Order: sequence, then structure tokens, then C-alpha cells
Amino acid sequence: GNSVTQMEGPVTLSEEAFLTINCTYTATGYPSLFWYVQYPGEGLQLLLKATKADDKGSNKGFEATYRKETTSFHLEKGSVQVSDSAVYFCALSESSGNTPLVFGKGTRLSVIA
Amino acid sequence: EADIYQTPRYLVIGTGKKITLECSQTMGHDKMYWYQQDPGMELHLIHYSYGVNSTEKGDLSSESTVSRIRTEHFPLTLESARPSHTSQYLCASSDDVSDTQYFGPGTRLTVL
Repeated sequence: GNSVTQMEGPVTLSEEAFLTINCTYTATGYPSLFWYVQYPGEGLQLLLKATKADDKGSNKGFEATYRKETTSFHLEKGSVQVSDSAVYFCALSESSGNTPLVFGKGTRLSVIA
Repeated sequence: EADIYQTPRYLVIGTGKKITLECSQTMGHDKMYWYQQDPGMELHLIHYSYGVNSTEKGDLSSESTVSRIRTEHFPLTLESARPSHTSQYLCASSDDVSDTQYFGPGTRLTVL
């Protein structure tokens, strides 16, 4: 079945450091890929998405590229801020769209000033 | 901006009580979902619905039940709450085109 494996946390970085959170997936067909973010005390919000191979999703300085050859969708940001402290979830939607999203286990990021 | 609402935001109840967690959305989405989120952050899908009068169980066995009588409303009911039900419950909805899920703010339930 479909699955998502993401880097375990917690991850602690200093402000302005470079961020990478790894995400790999297993899926049949051509899934869509997502990154969601959950700030403390809130629900999840869509951060970015990509629907086909080589697509790059980007938002708020975060980027992720859909790599079919390595089945990966790693999240990156060049310079993190304290306000980026949150839990990040990688997810996939299978190509038929007939089953719910499959989420990774989440990675907690803490950014210190 | 997504318009999906959950009430209550926080609830503390005693063992054996019946409770209903409310979820409603104003986007006209056919698909709705309930997740249980454990303290370790992982999300577990407990129920979902792809339209009125359609409900399915998710990956995590749950003692809760759901109903979908109206498109905009997807309540979750626990007939007899237990301390093991203490958790954060998240509701979400999505449209048929993009599969992007929109989440509510969550209900944090504590059963004493």
C-alpha cells in the first residue's frame, strides 16, 4: 500500500540556519504530494504541494521538488525564523483520488534565536 | 481561506459520558475526515465520508461513530467516554478536484 516516511525529529536549529526535512514515499501510479504545517494549538495548514514529477511547490520561503526517480519530496528553507517552529507533515494522495491522504508521522521543528 | 469549524475547542468530561464533537464546513466539500492525533503528533484516520449518507471507518479502530446527514456537517460521537479517548481530534474536508485537505482547529478532549 501507499506510505510516507519522513525524517524523525525533533529538529532544533538556530535562526537563519538552512532547513531540510526528508520525505520519501511508496505509491502506485502518480500521486500528488503535500507538505502541511501545524503551529502550536492549531489544526494543519497546507504549506505547499506538487502534482507531478519535477514540479516544485513553494510557499513562505519553503520549497519541495517532486522527485519520481528517488520517490522523494524533501522540504527545504534557506533561512529559518523562530516563527517557523511547528510540526511539519509530508503527505500523498494517490492518483485515483478515491482514498484519503496518507500522512507521515510528522517532524517537530524548533528554531531558537 | 478555509472555513471549517470545530466545537468545542476544549472539553473535560468524566468516564462514561456520551459526547459529540461537532465539525462543520461552509465550502460545499463532499469529502470529510476525522483524525485522532496522539501526543507524539502522529495522525490516525478514524472515520471519513465521501458524501451524504456515506461513512467509512479509517485505519485506526475507534469506539466512536459518525453521521453525515448534511453535506456541511460531520459530527463524531463517543457513546461512553474512557480515559483512553483522551486526545486531540481534528476534522478536515476536501473537494473532488485537488484533494487538498482543509483542517479545523481541533478539539482537545480529556476524559477523567
